[in-house]
Amino acid sequence: GAVVSQHPSRVICKSGTSVKIECRSLDFQATTMFWYRQFPKKSLMLMATSNEGSKATYEQGVEKDKFLINHASLTLSTLTVTSAHPEDSSFYICSARPGTGNTEAFFGQGTRLTVV
Amino acid sequence: GENVEQHPSTLSVQEGDSAVIKCTYSDSASNYFPWYKQELGKRPQLIIDIRSNVGEKKDQRIAVTLNKTAKHFSLHITETQPEDSAVYFCAARPGGGKLIFGQGTELSVKP
Repeated sequence: GAVVSQHPSRVICKSGTSVKIECRSLDFQATTMFWYRQFPKKSLMLMATSNEGSKATYEQGVEKDKFLINHASLTLSTLTVTSAHPEDSSFYICSARPGTGNTEAFFGQGTRLTVV
Repeated sequence: GENVEQHPSTLSVQEGDSAVIKCTYSDSASNYFPWYKQELGKRPQLIIDIRSNVGEKKDQRIAVTLNKTAKHFSLHITETQPEDSAVYFCAARPGGGKLIFGQGTELSVKP
C-alpha cells in the first residue's frame, strides 16, 4: 500500500513556543491531505483539509490562527501549532489517499505533542 | 455535516465468540465506510471497507454490512482471538475525501 510518513513522532515543547509537524506522501502525490487530532481514549477529530497550493479548509471550532497548515507541494503538508499551551497536548495524525473516489486513506504514524 | 455514532463504547467477549460493533451516519451523501483497528499510540489500520453500492463484504473472520436506507453499518468479527483486542473505529466519507469517525469501541477478547 501507499506510505504516509509523519515527523516527528514525539515532541515536547515549552508553553508559548511553536511546533511544526510534517506529513509526507512517499510514493504518491496528494492534492489533499487531512489533519486529525486524537485525545487519549477518544476518537479522531478532523481538524482541517489541507489543499495543495491553496488555503486549508478548517472544521468548525478549529482555530486557523492557532493551527497553521501549509501544503506547498504535492507530497508535503505541514501543521504548525503556534504559541502552544498545555491544552494543545495531543496526538496529531495526518492522512492522504493516492487518488480520488472511494480509495483507501493512508495514515501517518502520528505525532505525540506534549506542551510543558 | 456528517455525524457518525458508534456503539458500544466497550465490548468484552470470550475467545472464540463473535463481536458486533454498530454505527449510524447522518449524511445520505456518504458513500464509503471503512473500519479501522488502532492499537495504543499507533496509526489506524484499515481492516475492511464497504462502498455504498454494496450491502455486505466479507474477509475471512471479518464482515461488514451496510443498510443505506437506515444509514446503518456494522462490523462483525467471528472466532475472536486475543490479538483482536484493540480499539475499533468506524468512519464515513461524506465527500471531498475527508473521513468522519465514530467514537470508537474498545474490544477486549479474554482467553
